[in-house]
Amino acid sequence: EADIYQTPRYLVIGTGKKITLECSQTMGHDKMYWYQQDPGMELHLIHYSYGVNSTEKGDLSSESTVSRIRTEHFPLTLESARPSHTSQYLCASSEWVGRGHEKLFFGSGTQLSVL
Amino acid sequence: KQEVTQIPAALSVPEGENLVLNCSFTDSAIYNLQWFRQDPGKGLTSLLLIQSSQREQTSGRLNASLDKSSGRSTLYIAASQPGDSATYLCASDGSTNDYKLSFGAGTTVTVRA
Repeated sequence: EADIYQTPRYLVIGTGKKITLECSQTMGHDKMYWYQQDPGMELHLIHYSYGVNSTEKGDLSSESTVSRIRTEHFPLTLESARPSHTSQYLCASSEWVGRGHEKLFFGSGTQLSVL
Repeated sequence: KQEVTQIPAALSVPEGENLVLNCSFTDSAIYNLQWFRQDPGKGLTSLLLIQSSQREQTSGRLNASLDKSSGRSTLYIAASQPGDSATYLCASDGSTNDYKLSFGAGTTVTVRA
């Protein structure tokens, strides 16, 4: 099983603050993802990466940015947080299981509340 | 873009009853379909992955079937227990979304003791 860690677990901040959500995985997976999830709603892909120095925007437009300088690390940054950014952010990495099949592993998530 | 729908949104059953959770998807050109479990305020745990060439996968009391032609998958949980209470999410890739996973909104299951 992959080990994937997200910090902080919960974050309550004021409007206008810059924040970085951390995500690290120890299994050497090349592909990593950030999803956003509101209560009772489906997950929406906001960023993904195929490997070091690769970052792509997902299906849902987001004001956040990501970086991938090291394989194991995929942080997400909001330059100026707003109440509309309040949500749960889930990080994932995927393992190649052959023939186009990839299995996703998720972190525990960061619940962000912007006041 | 692959659209994934899960019905019902919520389900409450007495302990011991079998659970049937439904998932439908619009793009049948998939590589795989995955079922996940999510506990309140937590991340997702992968339960089963069904490859496009397979019709079902089994793990313990869990069995997931896949019918690509009709765009459906069903997760069966036998002899439900209170510990099975959680939200179950279905996710599928598809050619219309460059084979990235699209998620349903989930079915929230409550198993009453």
